[in-house]
This record gives sequence, structure tokens and C-alpha cells, in this order.
Amino acid sequence: AQSVTQLGSHVSVSEGALVLLRCNYSSSVPPYLFWYVQYPNQGLQLLLKYTSAATLVKGINGFEAEFKKSETSFHLTKPSAHMSDAAEYFCAVSYNQGGKLIFGQGTELSVKP
Amino acid sequence: EPEVTQTPSHQVTQMGQEVILRCVPISNHLYFYWYRQILGQKVEFLVSFYNNEISEKSEIFDDQFSVERPDGSNFTLKIRSTKLEDSAMYFCAILGLAGGVETQYFGPGTRLLVL
Repeated sequence: AQSVTQLGSHVSVSEGALVLLRCNYSSSVPPYLFWYVQYPNQGLQLLLKYTSAATLVKGINGFEAEFKKSETSFHLTKPSAHMSDAAEYFCAVSYNQGGKLIFGQGTELSVKP
Repeated sequence: EPEVTQTPSHQVTQMGQEVILRCVPISNHLYFYWYRQILGQKVEFLVSFYNNEISEKSEIFDDQFSVERPDGSNFTLKIRSTKLEDSAMYFCAILGLAGGVETQYFGPGTRLLVL
């Protein structure tokens, strides 16, 4: 079955430090890949998406993700964490445009002052 | 970015009661989705709805669930006889176009608590 794995249910970084949230998918066919962010008591907001146009994708709020087919990964990074980045981050895949999203279990990011 | 609202934001109901969750896109859309997130668990796909028909549903979406678009605007999820395990956050999503790619945009969710 198709699945998405996010390593680390909780990641804690200091303000200004690098953020790295890991996502791996299981598929021989490159899917559409997404990162969503969920702030407390809010819905899911799209951060960025991979659609095969470029392997390095830039999103909102300074986040970016790199698609690596050989590693079946789509890790999310941000060079310098900000307190406002504290939220839950979800990696998701879809195998056709408009198809259902399959989510990872989420990673909660904490940012320490 | 397309906007989606959901009502109610919170609902508490007794086991066995029927609930209707509503999703209202701000602009016209044809493709809708429902997902749920049980507390502490991942977001799970329930159903997708296109052109007034179910296009795909998950194993979770059994006979107690139904979806419809009663007035061409609202998109509803009905749970006929709620169970304790239906307690979750329910998200509606619509399909929009972003950068030439179809992307799902989510509403703020309805938190359902079944007692």
C-alpha cells in the first residue's frame, strides 16, 4: 500500500537554527508531493508542492523542499527557524492530479528562544 | 488561494445521533473532499466528490456516512448514527489551480465530539 513516513513526531530547534523535517514515500512512480502546515486550532495550509517541474521547490515563509527520487524523499527545510514556525507539519502525496491525499503522521515543530 | 469555510466549528453530540457537517466554498468548485483527523493521529481521506457524484471513497466511508451538495453551493457530510470513534476533526477540501497544478485547499475544520 502507498504510504508516507515522517521521521520524528516531534522536532525541537532553537530560533535561528536550521529546520529539517523528513518525509519519505513508498512508490516506484514519482507522485505529486505536498507539505502542509497546521497552526494550533486551524486548518491545513499549503506550504509547497512538487510537480516534477523542478526538484527544489520553494514555498511560503522561507521553506523549501527537495525531491530526491533515488531516496524517495521530500524533506522540508528552512535555513533559520522563527518562533512563528512552531506548528505541525504534514507531508502528503497524491498519485494523480486531483486524487486523494495520503498523509504522513505529522511532525510537531517546536522553536525555542 | 481559494477559500473554504466550514460550519459548525465545533459540535458535541450524543452517540447514535445524526450530524451534518457543512462546507462552503467561496467560489464555484466542482471537486470536493472530506478528510478526518482523530486526535493524535494522521489525517485520513474519507471521500471525494466530483460533479455531484462520489468519485472515490475510503474504507472508513461506510454506510453511516453520506455526502451531498443539496443546493449547488454547500457540500455536506452526514453521519447517520454517530459512534464514539467518530470523534475527530473533519476537514473539507476543494480542488483549485495553483501554478498550473491542481491543489487541494482545506477549510478550518469541524471538531466533532461524540459522547
